[in-house]
Amino acid sequence: EAGVAQSPRYKIIEKRQSVAFWCNPISGHATLYWYQQILGQGPKLLIQFQNNGVVDDSQLPKDRFSAERLKGVDSTLKIQPAKLEDSAVYLCASTLSPYREYNEKLFFGSGTQLSVL
Amino acid sequence: LAKTTQPISMDSYEGQEVNITCSHNNIATNDYITWYQQFPSQGPRFIIQGYKTKVTNEVASLFIPADRKSSTLSLPRVSLSDTAVYYCLVAYPAEGSQGNLIFGKGTKLSVKP
Repeated sequence: EAGVAQSPRYKIIEKRQSVAFWCNPISGHATLYWYQQILGQGPKLLIQFQNNGVVDDSQLPKDRFSAERLKGVDSTLKIQPAKLEDSAVYLCASTLSPYREYNEKLFFGSGTQLSVL
Repeated sequence: LAKTTQPISMDSYEGQEVNITCSHNNIATNDYITWYQQFPSQGPRFIIQGYKTKVTNEVASLFIPADRKSSTLSLPRVSLSDTAVYYCLVAYPAEGSQGNLIFGKGTKLSVKP
């Protein structure tokens, strides 16, 4: 079974530039999550999709971050404009059903490491 | 703000048993406790999940007391490849939502030869 795919693996940009990350969840997984992981910290949930609808985006900095999941499969996370403090690993995860309801385990991709200079 | 508390780091030697304890005082009645393992440059990976008492799989054991306010991940006979960060994860209740998944800073386990 293929895992969660993410690209690119690494990205280096200058502050105020824009960047986009792509995620393809495990086939059939309805719920998709984007996490931000700053060095030395645990992953922090940015946004959760159920199919193509947003379930929770309370911690997404909406003035600069946006995410979409058109057609309920692939997802894209965008940052525009980037700040130095956005340097982190951006992880995508998926579950078959909503975690809260079924306590299912999260399947993570390897992440995109973003460096903002 | 993380609602779980774990030791920041632990050291062990190959072949020893390692126990990592997590405190979670405000766990919801229906929530499970889940542990994840993360190697450098990889996403976290599920290790084990439990609700109460004891759960064992091919990788680890999870001990949960009756009050469920803490849990202990037990790794038997660790090897160098068990060097990683271990996260304890529970979902905390939040009004009007499905609850928040909160990762703490995790426990960095270093296994030495």
